[in-house]
Amino acid sequence: DTGVSQDPRHKITKRGQNVTFRCDPISEHNRLYWYRQTLGQGPEFLTYFQNEAQLEKSRLLSDRFSAERPKGSFSTLEIQRTEQGDSAMYLCASSLGGYTDTQYFGPGTRLTVL
Amino acid sequence: QQQVKQSPQSLIVQKGGISIINCAYENTAFDYFPWYQQFPGKGPALLIAIRPDVSEKKEGRFTISFNKSAKQFSLHIMDSQPGDSATYFCAASNGGSQGNLIFGKGTKLSVKP
Repeated sequence: DTGVSQDPRHKITKRGQNVTFRCDPISEHNRLYWYRQTLGQGPEFLTYFQNEAQLEKSRLLSDRFSAERPKGSFSTLEIQRTEQGDSAMYLCASSLGGYTDTQYFGPGTRLTVL
Repeated sequence: QQQVKQSPQSLIVQKGGISIINCAYENTAFDYFPWYQQFPGKGPALLIAIRPDVSEKKEGRFTISFNKSAKQFSLHIMDSQPGDSATYFCAASNGGSQGNLIFGKGTKLSVKP
């Protein structure tokens, strides 16, 4: 399978715990994006990487959120001290960048904070 | 501030009918307008996309119509099938400087057999 993969697919945690999600983009895709989607809403942009450089972060990305993309390959998104409002689907997408810049999404990680 | 407004929120169409979903945007710097299809429990999948240098793009049963002066674009699904039942999202981005997509709130389409 050469698509975007995410792990885990589901995560249930208690409020105050830390969680980490992983995204493996399509091979050779330079750009990697994180989005958050709540029920009944469209995905909302969180942050994106060009290779290993984090180029933009949304105001939605509070200090409790941190993302990394070491070596420009896979990426991790960590949420510290989770809150119930963090419950959402976290989507990763990747693209080649450039003029066409089609973003291909992974299946997402469903986070439930109890 | 919602930069991409999508309507209707839900749509019921008979098999074989035409489904039409509309979107309007505010930022004139947007230069890339994709439509995504999402099934429950899955990530969004690109359906079709358009750039503002053309007014229409067709791929199979799916057509995007684009009106730059009105800052509106729409998705037409011809000969709608039950398998088209999903949530559809329009989106926009300024791919030149930042490629993050701004999504509409989605339209839940149900195609009745």
